[in-house]
Amino acid sequence: GQQVMQIPQYQHVQEGEDFTTYCNSSTTLSNIQWYKQRPGGHPVFLIQLVKSGEVKKQKRLTFQFGEAKKNSSLHITATQTTDVGTYFCAGRRNSGGSNYKLTFGKGTLLTVNP
Amino acid sequence: NAGVTQTPKFQVLKTGQSMTLQCAQDMNHNSMYWYRQDPGMGLRLIYYSASEGTTDKGEVPNGYNVSRLNKREFSLRLESAAPSQTSVYFCASSDISLEPQETQYFGPGTRLLVL
Repeated sequence: GQQVMQIPQYQHVQEGEDFTTYCNSSTTLSNIQWYKQRPGGHPVFLIQLVKSGEVKKQKRLTFQFGEAKKNSSLHITATQTTDVGTYFCAGRRNSGGSNYKLTFGKGTLLTVNP
Repeated sequence: NAGVTQTPKFQVLKTGQSMTLQCAQDMNHNSMYWYRQDPGMGLRLIYYSASEGTTDKGEVPNGYNVSRLNKREFSLRLESAAPSQTSVYFCASSDISLEPQETQYFGPGTRLLVL
C-alpha cells in the first residue's frame, strides 16, 4: 500500500533558527496536504499543494511539492515559540477512481527553545 | 458552528469493557473518518464513511466497529476493549464534492486508557 515517510521525527531548534521537514511517498500523489497539531490539540489544515513543482508561502512558512509529485517539504524561517507542534504531511494517491483516503506521515515534532 | 465535536473527551476502561465514541459534524460534510494516534505512529485510519449509508475499513480496523447514523454522526465502537487500544482517537470530516482537493477537519479527540 501507499506509504508516506516523513523526516526527521523530532527537531529541536533555538528560536530564530530555520526548520525543515521532508515528506516522501512511495507512489505518485495527486496532491499533498500539510497539517499542524499543537501539543494536546488536534490536527489543523495548513495548506494543500496540487501542481508539480508548486511552491506556496504562508508568512514564514514555505511549502514545496516535488516535480515528480512524490515528495514535499515544509520550511519555517526564523522559528518562533508559537511554531511548536507536530507537522504532518498527508498524501492522496494519484489513481483512477475515487479515493477518499489520505495517508498521513508520522509527523515531525518541532520544539523551540526561547 | 461547532465544526466537529467528539464525546467523551476522556475515558478509562477495564479490559473487556465496551464503549462507543461519538462524533458529530455540523458542516454538512458527506465524508467522515476515525483515526487513532499513538506516539511515533502518526495518524492511522481505522474506518471511514464516504457518504451516508456506507462505511469502509481503513488501515487498522480490527477490534472496532462503526455506524454512520446519519449525515451528521459517525460513531466508533469498541466491543471488548484491550490495552492495545489505549490511544487518542480523532474523528474528522470532509466535503468529498471537492475531491481530490477537499481537506479534513478534525475534532478535539477522545483520550482513551484501557487498563
